[in-house]
Order: sequence, then C-alpha cells, then structure tokens
Amino acid sequence: DSGVTQTPKHLITATGQRVTLRCSPRSGDLSVYWYQQSLDQGLQFLIQYYNGEERAKGNILERFSAQQFPDLHSELNLSSLELGDSALYFCASSVGGTGGAYEQYFGPGTRLTVT
Amino acid sequence: GESVGLHLPTLSVQEGDNSIINCAYSNSASDYFIWYKQESGKGPQFIIDIRSNMDKRQGQRVTVLLNKTVKHLSLQIAATQPGDSAVYFCAENHYGQNFVFGPGTRLSVLP
Repeated sequence: DSGVTQTPKHLITATGQRVTLRCSPRSGDLSVYWYQQSLDQGLQFLIQYYNGEERAKGNILERFSAQQFPDLHSELNLSSLELGDSALYFCASSVGGTGGAYEQYFGPGTRLTVT
Repeated sequence: GESVGLHLPTLSVQEGDNSIINCAYSNSASDYFIWYKQESGKGPQFIIDIRSNMDKRQGQRVTVLLNKTVKHLSLQIAATQPGDSAVYFCAENHYGQNFVFGPGTRLSVLP
C-alpha cells in the first residue's frame, strides 16, 4: 500500500458526460501528479500540483482540468468525455516537487470507461 | 484486472534465472532515473533509482546499470521469482522537469 488513495476505483459513463476523480496524497506529501494510462501506451503525464498551485502541465487536454485543495487532496475533472478518454487514471504524490526529482508514490488508479 | 500494454515487448525467463530488462532514454540531460514495477490491476511501484553521477546501484535482488554514453538503462533481477511477473517501466527526469516514462516491458516468469 503506497499510502495514496484514489476514488472511485471504477467509473462507467457515457460520451459527453463529465466526471471527477479524487486523490488523497500520502501524509506529508505536498505534490500531486496525474497520469493517464491507455491500453498499448505507457504513462502519460497530465499535470502536477505542489502545495495547492499548478506546477507543471503535460499532455492534458483542454477538456480536462485539475485542482489541489488546502488539505492537499486533488481532483481531476474530465468533461465532454469521448470514447478515447477510456483509460486508467493514476495519481501519484511526492514529498517535494520543485526544483529537483523526487520519488513518486502511485495510487491504485481509477479505471474510466466511456461508452 | 485488465492488462496494461497488450502489445508490449515481452521477456520470458525461467524461474530462478536472472532477468535483464533494458530501457533507452531520450534526454541526454536527464539526471535521475527510476524503475517501476506494475502488476496487473495496480499502480506502478518503485523498485530502485539511480542518479546520473553513478553507473551502478544495487538493491535487494535488483541492480540498475546506467550508461550515459548511449543513453541506456538496465534493470537486472537476480533469481527471478513468479512474483516478479509484471510490466516494468523506466522513468527519466531532468532537473526541474517532470518524469517521462518508457513504454514498458512485460516480464513473464516461467515455472
């Protein structure tokens, strides 16, 4: 158990809908990262937050957004969902995240299925 | 659970043999590298890391080798066990940037 929790574990929704994925980092970790993992693809970095502020953006679509709250939990919002958005979404956390590399601890993921 | 990376390269080894998983990284400026293990239905799990000022680092039954000249990273697993069956990812990081993950290799341990 990495100490990172994600809810829900599974999510099935229809095209055009909007969903919110939730992540709670390990105790003491200030950074949260979101990744997308599709079949036949590796982990694609989406976005990072550090202590409530957006720190870095990767391959995140404009239909997707995220935020990190004062208690450091984070939410990833996916809107106008398309079939191609079906994937595993992982959250990871690390103690740091600014100016340096830190080991990231991954949650169990949320499996999103868009029908 | 659903398999990740159905078309990943696969390495099959006999139980008890040593495994070597290779990774070519892309950024010559990367200075920190991690190997992750991902079992079916689970998130990636940290195995071992290495910084660019080192060529080799050993853990429990695992060794990571870094060849900066050819931008190559390898993970060696000694006495491979059935529980080692998983997808293995390398990840590279350049100071101040975010991790870039490789496509992964599926390790299959044969009885």
